[in-house]
Amino acid sequence: AQTVTQSQPEMSVQEAETVTLSCTYDTSENNYYLFWYKQPPSRQMILVIRQEAYKQQNATENRFSVNFQKAAKSFSLKISDSQLGDTAMYFCAFIPKGTYKYIFGTGTRLKVLA
Amino acid sequence: DADVTQTPRNRITKTGKRIMLECSQTKGHDRMYWYRQDPGLGLRLIYYSFDVKDINKGEISDGYSVSRQAQAKFSLSLESAIPNQTALYFCATSDSRQLANYGYTFGSGTRLTVV
Repeated sequence: AQTVTQSQPEMSVQEAETVTLSCTYDTSENNYYLFWYKQPPSRQMILVIRQEAYKQQNATENRFSVNFQKAAKSFSLKISDSQLGDTAMYFCAFIPKGTYKYIFGTGTRLKVLA
Repeated sequence: DADVTQTPRNRITKTGKRIMLECSQTKGHDRMYWYRQDPGLGLRLIYYSFDVKDINKGEISDGYSVSRQAQAKFSLSLESAIPNQTALYFCATSDSRQLANYGYTFGSGTRLTVV
């Protein structure tokens, strides 16, 4: 079965510091896409960053970057210069190429401390 | 207006009652989904639809039914609500040609409490 594991249910970080959220996944597929979603207290699911498995270069979106290790099936999210507005639940998800359905992790609740 | 609109935003209902959650979208996407979110479990797929005539069960469809009234509308029904259906419900849409690039577009969720 294809699964996504987020081993850190909760984390906290001081404002302006850097934090890394971990995500591992299990799949026999070779082509797939990986995503991180942010869910703030407003409940809205917001796409943070995406990575294509066939690309070795790690994706970056402003303060958000990933460390994608395909052999290790690891897809961690690094948030630099953390801001209070980064306080949210973060979900890791992947989808095999050509399929329809996200497989989500259980989430990591991040709190940014002033 | 939001691209994906869910109504109601919050709802409290009694055990045994029938309830419908509604979802409409202006994205023009062909695919629509219903997920439920529970603490510690992430998001799990209830039903999905690739077009008006194509509806499929997800991993946790028992106790739920859906209707795709039009390309833009996809409703979820709980025929006889029970307390363990208390959860946050999300509707999502995707373009089958762009799923990998843009992912899902989510609604803002319906928090359902069954008492």
